[in-house]
Amino acid sequence: KQEVTQIPAALSVPEGENLVLNCSFTDSAIYNLQWFRQDPGKGLTSLLLIQSSQREQTSGRLNASLDKSSGRSTLYIAASQPGDSATYLCAADSGGSNYKLTFGKGTLLTVNP
Amino acid sequence: GAGVSQSPSNKVTEKGKDVELRCDPISGHTALYWYRQSLGQGLEFLIYFQGNSAPDKSGLPSDRFSAERTGGSVSTLTIQRTQQEDSAVYLCASSLIGQGDLGNTIYFGEGSWLTVV
Repeated sequence: KQEVTQIPAALSVPEGENLVLNCSFTDSAIYNLQWFRQDPGKGLTSLLLIQSSQREQTSGRLNASLDKSSGRSTLYIAASQPGDSATYLCAADSGGSNYKLTFGKGTLLTVNP
Repeated sequence: GAGVSQSPSNKVTEKGKDVELRCDPISGHTALYWYRQSLGQGLEFLIYFQGNSAPDKSGLPSDRFSAERTGGSVSTLTIQRTQQEDSAVYLCASSLIGQGDLGNTIYFGEGSWLTVV
């Protein structure tokens, strides 16, 4: 059974700081890993998807890496802004299916102006 | 529409009543998912529809929960005889499957917030 853990559970940083969010998963036989953002009272927005054959993906100030062998992924946010404040969730597929996602409980990020 | 649409956005119901939650996926998306997010918990997979294939219902927590997808588009999640522990946000998502570089990015609606009193 896939289990996804995110550390830290919460993080508070000053504006402009670079930061790293961590995600670990127990079953390395994944098709892909995704990072999502969730704003309070809202649904999830997909940020980055890394397929199992890839090692990283970049979008603007975001960079996500994937190390299947160690069961880890990181989300790097450069030059953080107050608008980045949200909960960040990572999700890995599980059970040999490429659709059944197992989510971590998220990291609540607060970027202080 | 431009995104995944869910209704109602909020629902308060009495214990024991049935509720129906509706999801309109992104046009052209063949895959549709339901997830549940309870207070303090992570997202929990409920059910998955892909085209005309039999749905994967392995995440439904009890036989009080059912879902259908009509015409390969709109989906309805039904909870019968609701209990207080059913209170949660029910999130629907859709995606293109087997679409090359698009991989399996899934797009979520804003959820239906269910409160059972």
